Amino acid sequence: SQQGEEDPQALSIQEGENATMNCSYKTSINNLQWYRQNSGRGLVHLILIRSNEREKHSGRLRVTLDTSKKSSSLLITASRAADTASYFCATARIRDDKIIFGKGTRLHILP
Amino acid sequence: ETGVTQSPTHLIKTRGQQVTLRCSSQSGHNTVSWYQQALGQGPQFIFQYYREEENGRGNFPPRFSGLQFPNYSSELNVNALELDDSALYLCASSFGGLNTEAFFGQGTRLTVV
Repeated sequence: SQQGEEDPQALSIQEGENATMNCSYKTSINNLQWYRQNSGRGLVHLILIRSNEREKHSGRLRVTLDTSKKSSSLLITASRAADTASYFCATARIRDDKIIFGKGTRLHILP
Repeated sequence: ETGVTQSPTHLIKTRGQQVTLRCSSQSGHNTVSWYQQALGQGPQFIFQYYREEENGRGNFPPRFSGLQFPNYSSELNVNALELDDSALYLCASSFGGLNTEAFFGQGTRLTVV
């Protein structure tokens, strides 16, 4: 079963706009990570946020974590065509240390 | 380029056969995890090896097994292949277990016919 659920499932925006994706999870976690996957190939690690952190930035990426709501968001600012990909959140559960991925958000940047 | 390499990149097998997939982890990493990703789905955790011992397993039957070698490279073995085993198999290496950044290989696309 999936621990994380990304929302929306698919998102199309114009190049230059900001893209926001959300992730909800069910159980207590040690950390939450966001990954990008291009065309069904390997995943690229974007950012890791620990359970005691509320916000992290990396370049054009901003991730927030709200452990009380069991949710996270990934914001990509000033989107580019190269950002077209699937984005996954992955949670590290406290109870058994397993990493659980959601089904992902498919982001398409329109020229 | 993550430094994690998987072989082969593509593979076609017949139902009932056995398959071995290989993964070379990134230099300095002592932990390898394996994931199965069906089309349109997120990766599903199969198991993890830390210093040559399995230290975490997902909801996969025993016919999915693995090994980690002294150089921290790893194998995933699947016996008695079923059609539903068709998927992209991803290997990820990290240092220190599940709570650290993982670096993924490009995956092996397995098709069972």
